[in-house]
Amino acid sequence: DGGITQSPKYLFRKEGQNVTLSCEQNLNHDAMYWYRQDPGQGLRLIYYSQIVNDFQKGDIAEGYSVSREKKESFPLTVTSAQKNPTAFYLCASSIDNSGGAKNIQYFGAGTRLSVL
Amino acid sequence: AQSVTQLDSHVSVSEGTPVLLRCNYSSSYSPSLFWYVQHPNKGLQLLLKYTSAATLVKGINGFEAEFKKSETSFHLTKPSAHMSDAAEYFCVVRLFSGGYNKLIFGAGTRLAVHP
Repeated sequence: DGGITQSPKYLFRKEGQNVTLSCEQNLNHDAMYWYRQDPGQGLRLIYYSQIVNDFQKGDIAEGYSVSREKKESFPLTVTSAQKNPTAFYLCASSIDNSGGAKNIQYFGAGTRLSVL
Repeated sequence: AQSVTQLDSHVSVSEGTPVLLRCNYSSSYSPSLFWYVQHPNKGLQLLLKYTSAATLVKGINGFEAEFKKSETSFHLTKPSAHMSDAAEYFCVVRLFSGGYNKLIFGAGTRLAVHP
């Protein structure tokens, strides 16, 4: 089945710890995205990548880092610098980041991160 | 500034009655607009999209939305609600900003469907 796989589904972080959220897609999409969702709010963009070996900060990148070494993978690290990491994290991908129909974003099932 | 406003944070309907979820946007040009649905602890699923073709857009599961430029609205409707429609719905505008096409999400409308 084609799709976007996020793991783990639930993750707990201790104080001062870095944690990494996995996002894998087998849709052959060039563009990938990470969003953060807080209760009662829409999604906010953390980082995005339009192509392998390239990524850019979104609206709330502080305290997060990413890499894009492979087309199908876009892991997100929540660093100890992120003081309020508790949220639902969603990964998405699209064929590309153009303005047309190829930029329909498809989402994974999400990872819920909590602080111990 | 570009933005999306979902006018109701919660909507409650009875099964079999119509659904109306309201969305207004602000944009300096004709935008691309989307509705996504999110069931509890799940990712987002695309319901429908408007990309400057027909103003009445039909989506999955019987939903449709009408783009009204004069009212800057993109309300989501369904003639008859089903229990499985209970979820959170997001109105989204896509715009070109900072060198890339980004999605701006509304705060969401939680739809409850009662028997």
